[in-house]
Amino acid sequence: GAVVSQHPSRVICKSGTSVKIECRSLDFQATTMFWYRQFPKQSLMLMATSNEGSKATYEQGVEKDKFLINHASLTLSTLTVTSAHPEDSSFYICSALTGSTYEQYFGPGTRLTVT
Amino acid sequence: SQQGEEDPQALSIQEGENATMNCSYKTSINNLQWYRQNSGRGLVHLILIRSNEREKHSGRLRVTLDTSKKSSSLLITASRAADTASYFCAAGIQGGSEKLVFGKGTKLTVNP
Repeated sequence: GAVVSQHPSRVICKSGTSVKIECRSLDFQATTMFWYRQFPKQSLMLMATSNEGSKATYEQGVEKDKFLINHASLTLSTLTVTSAHPEDSSFYICSALTGSTYEQYFGPGTRLTVT
Repeated sequence: SQQGEEDPQALSIQEGENATMNCSYKTSINNLQWYRQNSGRGLVHLILIRSNEREKHSGRLRVTLDTSKKSSSLLITASRAADTASYFCAAGIQGGSEKLVFGKGTKLTVNP
């Protein structure tokens, strides 16, 4: 149980385009999902907290207009990287809370490469 | 930065040996969690220890927590080559947000 999927697993896009990444909880409802970014050989940095039915809460230094988050249902949150630039190339990982424990269940990640 | 520190940054041992990784954090916590990440993959939850607990076991894993020192350790006993991965601690921050602040991680290599 508690499986989280992400789609796509890998995406290459041109500079200036937008990319949407989906995060789904497959067998549970997640009122809260988190989006992280991980640069090579570094740790995870929390970007934003996504709450179903309300606006996401962004961490300091994360541009909300660049990283659009939508949590429209209890099983789906999306992260859209708008007007992507090469420096946005990274590994984006989502996680979801089941609500019954503090344990976060992580998706397999999406590797974004902006050329 | 709220990010915690882990040491060592890299650890290389032989199969069968024990591996100990340490983590320090800066905030007040509800819990401390340990995760494992294979290269280029998502994270797998290993163990959670609550702030009122001092030690917890799960299989070959033993976690300790010292809230007075804001530190935790993860011990993997009788290591296997399959344990090769990066290990991260994550502090569950007090305050109701249930956010996690991740440490920098330890890259463990277990040589067969």
